[in-house]
Amino acid sequence: QKEVEQNSGPLSVPEGAIASLNCTYSDRGSQSFFWYRQYSGKSPELIMFIYSNGDKEDGRFTAQLNKASQYVSLLIRDSQPSDSATYLCAVNMDSGGSNYKLTFGKGTLLTVNP
Amino acid sequence: GAVVSQHPSWVICKSGTSVKIECRSLDFQATTMFWYRQFPKQSLMLMATSNEGSKATYEQGVEKDKFLINHASLTLSTLTVTSAHPEDSSFYICSASRLVDWTGELFFGEGSRLTVL
Repeated sequence: QKEVEQNSGPLSVPEGAIASLNCTYSDRGSQSFFWYRQYSGKSPELIMFIYSNGDKEDGRFTAQLNKASQYVSLLIRDSQPSDSATYLCAVNMDSGGSNYKLTFGKGTLLTVNP
Repeated sequence: GAVVSQHPSWVICKSGTSVKIECRSLDFQATTMFWYRQFPKQSLMLMATSNEGSKATYEQGVEKDKFLINHASLTLSTLTVTSAHPEDSSFYICSASRLVDWTGELFFGEGSRLTVL
């Protein structure tokens, strides 16, 4: 069974610190990886996506992908209280490209303390 | 980014009644839409893939006769929860992909919170 695993947390960091969120996936053929943020009672919103090994930076966010280790992470620099949310890792596990389904992890609850 | 609108946002119904939720892509054509369900403190669980002009593809364990999906146009998919029961109370979220320039990104609707009394 194809799975996406995340530490459910909660992860608590002080304001201004770096928050590190981790995700592993089971299907070695996975091609695309996404991080979504979900505030309580709201639907998810995309933060970043990454396709290639290495780092991808967008503002305070950096996604890191290591396909050999089947590992993807999200770093949030200078964490703000407004970053407090559940972060969902999602993976497109269809290497054939004809299936557009994403498999989601259970999410990591992040709390940034003022 | 692309906009997906979902309606209604909240619905409360009596047990045994049916509820219809609409999902619209407002500024792009979506040949494929996805319906998710999320219980409190749980992740998104894919229920079905809605394909324009054809039957929906349901995930294992999802009753197709209970969760009716219709995708009659390139901008509208509907989910009808038939004969709803309290255990169907959940947060239902639709999403769509802009397949013309497929990046894997899903655009989510605002979600519909269903409470069955």
